[in-house]
Amino acid sequence: GIQVEQSPPDLILQEGANSTLRCNFSDSVNNLQWFHQNPWGQLINLFYIPSGTKQNGRLSATTVATERYSLLYISSSQTTDSGVYFCAVERGMAAGNNRKLIWGLGTSLAVNP
Amino acid sequence: NAGVMQNPRHLVRRRGQEARLRCSPMKGHSHVYWYRQLPEEGLKFMVYLQKENIIDESGMPKERFSAEFPKEGPSILRIQQVVRGDSAAYFCASSPIQGADEKLFFGSGTQLSVL
Repeated sequence: GIQVEQSPPDLILQEGANSTLRCNFSDSVNNLQWFHQNPWGQLINLFYIPSGTKQNGRLSATTVATERYSLLYISSSQTTDSGVYFCAVERGMAAGNNRKLIWGLGTSLAVNP
Repeated sequence: NAGVMQNPRHLVRRRGQEARLRCSPMKGHSHVYWYRQLPEEGLKFMVYLQKENIIDESGMPKERFSAEFPKEGPSILRIQQVVRGDSAAYFCASSPIQGADEKLFFGSGTQLSVL
């Protein structure tokens, strides 16, 4: 099956720093989403981004589908950004249907004040 | 517009008991998905349901686990005769329509602990 690898596995930042998280996937995907799981376990959907670039405030994401990777950028990090960031994909060539998302193991981010 | 609602938030069961996890999708959403998260891991797909239909249960264990999404009421994930290995966080997600380019919205999860 499709493999999803995220790097780095752990990251520690000082407040205000910028960071880039990477997601590599082993096959063509029609659906790629980035999630943030906060320290209380809640999952927040950050981006639906099977290709291209999107921005939302201090966060932005870019997926290069032909090269099978996606990047999540966090600028001016804040302590509330702490948690685990997951990349999840669905294999296929047709339009996504949000079903069997395959998840990476996540990047655990700690932002220190 | 309330989000995906899951209850209970925490559930403690002894080995051999039954666990029932409930999920109410977002208003207007007719598709429900259950995922399981073991410690230090990403989520694993379990089952995909529409109202009164199981569409894909390829991620469900063959025994003891079942899911339903009745015409009225929440979706239920049922685990019979729980064992310690069932301890995990169980997340429910919903989406409005299959095939649409929509984000998947998750509930806050149910943390199941089996003693």
